[in-house]
Amino acid sequence: EDKVVQSPLSLVVHEGDTVTLNCSYEVTNFRSLLWYKQEKKAPTFLFMLTSSGIEKKSGRLSSILDKKELFSILNITATQTGDSAVYLCAVGWGNDMRFGAGTRLTVKP
Amino acid sequence: KAGVTQTPRYLIKTRGQQVTLSCSPISGHRSVSWYQQTPGQGLQFLFEYFSETQRNKGNFPGRFSGRQFSNSRSEMNVSTLELGDSALYLCASSLNSDSGKYFGPGTRLTVT
Repeated sequence: EDKVVQSPLSLVVHEGDTVTLNCSYEVTNFRSLLWYKQEKKAPTFLFMLTSSGIEKKSGRLSSILDKKELFSILNITATQTGDSAVYLCAVGWGNDMRFGAGTRLTVKP
Repeated sequence: KAGVTQTPRYLIKTRGQQVTLSCSPISGHRSVSWYQQTPGQGLQFLFEYFSETQRNKGNFPGRFSGRQFSNSRSEMNVSTLELGDSALYLCASSLNSDSGKYFGPGTRLTVT
């Protein structure tokens, strides 16, 4: 069965810490993997990954995809309280797309 | 550039009724996709339209349908509403099917 699994489900860190969020998938005809940040509103687009081994970076956030091992990681360095959110991973394949359950990140001052 | 807009923002309907939601994509974006978000099921993909054609479809019953107009605006229709259809309905637009998707604020539908 096609699936997208994110881990951990929740994470509590302190400001300044570095976190790594994981997204693993089992799908056929993979097209792309997307990361989103969702606070108390609609998800905000972070990255789209289609090729293995190419790191995408935006400020303190970065992400990479491993199509051989079927996973992606999202790194956030020097975390800030404003990074507190649910981070969603979505995988598109064939003519469908599936979201993971998300990782709830809480950054404490 | 203006972002993705959705109307209405809130809606209350009764079981058995039908509802139509509207989504206007970012200017220049030709792909519009729809999602349902509930606390129990999370975010689920409904369908995607590109240039007025349905390109991709998730695993939802035929009561959920949509269309896209020549100006890329899209509508989603749900017929014979059920209590379980209560959710936040999000649409997202992108340049094409393989581009990053930008979400609108959503329509909160409550079915009583």
